[in-house]
Amino acid sequence: GENVEQHPSTLSVQEGDSAVIKCTYSDSASNYFPWYKQELGKGPQLIIDIRSNVGEKKDQRIAVTLNKTAKHFSLHITETQPEDSAVYFCAATPRPTKNYNQGGKLIFGQGTELSVKP
Amino acid sequence: KAGVTQTPRYLIKTRGQQVTLSCSPISGHRSVSWYQQTPGQGLQFLFEYFSETQRNKGNFPGRFSGRQFSNSRSEMNVSTLELGDSALYLCASSLGGDTDTQYFGPGTRLTVL
Repeated sequence: GENVEQHPSTLSVQEGDSAVIKCTYSDSASNYFPWYKQELGKGPQLIIDIRSNVGEKKDQRIAVTLNKTAKHFSLHITETQPEDSAVYFCAATPRPTKNYNQGGKLIFGQGTELSVKP
Repeated sequence: KAGVTQTPRYLIKTRGQQVTLSCSPISGHRSVSWYQQTPGQGLQFLFEYFSETQRNKGNFPGRFSGRQFSNSRSEMNVSTLELGDSALYLCASSLGGDTDTQYFGPGTRLTVL
């Protein structure tokens, strides 16, 4: 069935270092892969996303890479800052079923708690 | 442009009661999705409404239901509450296409005693 695996579950880095979070997905029909950042007491906030016709996307210190053959995608944060500390979630769209299309449904990874130490 | 709003932000109920949560999407968005977030199960999809119709549904029991109004506002209802229903309930809105960005609200924290 639909599944997204995310690793690691916790990640601690020093300020200025890079952080990498990896996700694998099970359904080859998945075609949209967003990343969300969730701070304590808040809802998830989109930080970057990638669609299946693109292999890499970058936005300032954040980049995402997608390998459709291997069915995995990764989040890269460079020059980390203490304010990057949060829980990060990857997600993927599922395959449409006989009764339902993909609309509005995301399958989430279990999350990575990132801690950036000053 | 105002973001997604959810009311109430916090709710305490007892087992057996029912509860209704409300979500107002970003102006112009016609799709509202609901998710349940718990420490053990993470973020799980409940259902999605588009133009007042349920378009997609997750694997939750029938006690969980929802609806959407003509102004795209959505409500979800949980009947016969169980202790395990304690969670953060999040709604997200989007334009409604398969790969359109979903924007999340702050969530409603439900505690069942």
